Amino acid sequence: DSGVTQTPKHLITATGQRVTLRCSPRSGDLSVYWYQQSLDQGLQFLIQYYNGEERAKGNILERFSAQQFPDLHSELNLSSLELGDSALYFCASSVGPGLAGEETQYFGPGTRLLVL
Amino acid sequence: AQKVTQAQTEISVVEKEDVTLDCVYETRDTTYYLFWYKQPPSGELVFLIRRNSFDEQNEISGRYSWNFQKSTSSFNFTITASQVVDSAVYFCALSEARTGYSSASKIIFGSGTRLSIRP
Repeated sequence: DSGVTQTPKHLITATGQRVTLRCSPRSGDLSVYWYQQSLDQGLQFLIQYYNGEERAKGNILERFSAQQFPDLHSELNLSSLELGDSALYFCASSVGPGLAGEETQYFGPGTRLLVL
Repeated sequence: AQKVTQAQTEISVVEKEDVTLDCVYETRDTTYYLFWYKQPPSGELVFLIRRNSFDEQNEISGRYSWNFQKSTSSFNFTITASQVVDSAVYFCALSEARTGYSSASKIIFGSGTRLSIRP
């Protein structure tokens, strides 16, 4: 158990809908990262927040957004969902800003999203 | 540009055999970090090791060992005396040590190697 929690574990929705995925980092960790794992794209980094501020951005679509709240939990919002958004979404956390891979990222169990 | 190649899509061995998972990377930076992660059938990602580009010493942790060779841009992972519980998808990953906002903390993953250990 990494100490990172994600809810829900599974989510089934329809195209065009909007969903929110939630992540709670390990106690004491200030950074939260979001990743998408799909069959065709593999594992991709989406976005990172550090202490409430956006820190780095990867291959995140404009239909997707995220935020980190004062209690350090984070939410990933996915809107106008398409079939291709079906994937496993991971959250990870680390102690600091995670500059340059200097810190280990600990992953949550993931949220499996199925868009029908 | 960064790239991580795991040419072995699937490997199947009998329990107690040794197995090596290959990882070849591409980067223009002189400072970077390499990682291995394990994803068991349950789906979670488990961190195994992080190595920076200035430390070419091989590392051993129990039955696991890693061979980092900058000359061939490889970071291979060997499991000695494999066990059924080692069955998982293993990902190699690369993070470049760039300054500035947009590149901080990005990790590029390889496509993974599915390892099956048969009893």
